[in-house]
Amino acid sequence: QLVLTQSPSASASLGASVKLTCTLSSGHSSYAIAWHQQQPEKGPRYLMKLNSDGSHSKGDGIPDRFSGSSSGAERYLTISSLQSEDEADYYCQTWGTGVWVFGGGTKLTVL
Amino acid sequence: QVTLKESGPVLVKPTETLTLTCTVSGFSLSNARMGVSWIRQPPGKALEWLAHIFSNDEKSYSTSLKSRLTISKDTSKSQVVLTMTNMDPVDTATYYCARGRTFDYWGQGTLVTVSS
Repeated sequence: QLVLTQSPSASASLGASVKLTCTLSSGHSSYAIAWHQQQPEKGPRYLMKLNSDGSHSKGDGIPDRFSGSSSGAERYLTISSLQSEDEADYYCQTWGTGVWVFGGGTKLTVL
Repeated sequence: QVTLKESGPVLVKPTETLTLTCTVSGFSLSNARMGVSWIRQPPGKALEWLAHIFSNDEKSYSTSLKSRLTISKDTSKSQVVLTMTNMDPVDTATYYCARGRTFDYWGQGTLVTVSS
């Protein structure tokens, strides 16, 4: 079964960097994912597609501060030079044959 | 410029059928890879994928909701329609449509409340 696992929460200081993790279920380590940001009281916004080899393609207007990387079944979203507007929920998402799956989301707090 | 916009009722009663429309612009529903999904988010909860329609009209549904969902499209009107039968208060959520496999563009969402 295709499942994505995310930590419920993370925090980091203003100006620092943070690395969020999304873990693919067993047998699905080759899958690409997408990362989405949802700021408070707003709809989701596509950040990037992240492949198993770590290559990624970002959405329109996504700052260079956002980057992605991969290792095995882990997919990472790194946000550098954290700003207050980065405080948001971050969801990973993937797809298989006729199925789409979201992770449970990580709530990022910028201290 | 790619946009998606959801429309439909704000309030539905329990047992009623919900019909939502996603009107897209900036791309054609007949183009390969330009399928559209419906996704929902109950207040304070995570995103949940509901259904997807491909450019060739093939459809996929969430296993848990498959019996209640129907997705369709009208390419000439650039619209994707979702119907959900037998609505219940637990179906109260913001409903979104989004493009492609990676959901690279999202609609603004529409909040649907199920209450008598």
